[in-house]
Amino acid sequence: EDQVTQSPEALRLQEGESSSLNCSYTVSGLRGLFWYRQDPGKGPEFLFTLYSAGEEKEKERLKATLTKKESFLHITAPKPEDSATYLCAVQAGDSWGKLQFGAGTQVVVTP
Amino acid sequence: DAGVIQSPRHEVTEMGQEVTLRCKPISGHDYLFWYRQTMMRGLELLIYFNNNVPIDDSGMPEDRFSAKMPNASFSTLKIQPSEPRDSAVYFCASSLDPGEGKLFFGSGTQLSVL
Repeated sequence: EDQVTQSPEALRLQEGESSSLNCSYTVSGLRGLFWYRQDPGKGPEFLFTLYSAGEEKEKERLKATLTKKESFLHITAPKPEDSATYLCAVQAGDSWGKLQFGAGTQVVVTP
Repeated sequence: DAGVIQSPRHEVTEMGQEVTLRCKPISGHDYLFWYRQTMMRGLELLIYFNNNVPIDDSGMPEDRFSAKMPNASFSTLKIQPSEPRDSAVYFCASSLDPGEGKLFFGSGTQLSVL
């Protein structure tokens, strides 16, 4: 059975304190791994797509990486506006079009 | 574009009542998804459409749930009769190419069934 596990569940950071979020997956034939950001009271917002091990994507203070078993979302020198829940999702080879989401990591960045 | 528009934003109803959630996707997006989010189960895909045709409804919990897409700019998710365990946030999302994993989500409908 396909599984997506995110850790930690919650993360509290001081402004400027870099850290990493983990997304480990067990999927039959990974088509792609995706990162989303969700603010309270809003729908998830797309951040990155990763297709193969070794691939990296960057956007401002965020950098996503992918291995054969897990993905990391690195937050460098975070600011309070980076506070959100970060969701990881996978698309399996036999489930085109369907994203399976992890439970998310809630990040709070304090000034 | 205004993005994906969902209505209502909040719905409070009593057990046994019919509930209809509405969604307007982004113009030009051929794919439309209905997701449900709860603390216990996270985000779950209920059903998705391609060019107004339901492609996969394996996530629909039971026969009480039904979804339609009568045209490219409108979709509904109906629950009849509603039960307290249906309480959740329901999201609609649209996409040009879900293979890229890039879905555009609406702000959701917070449903409370008393």
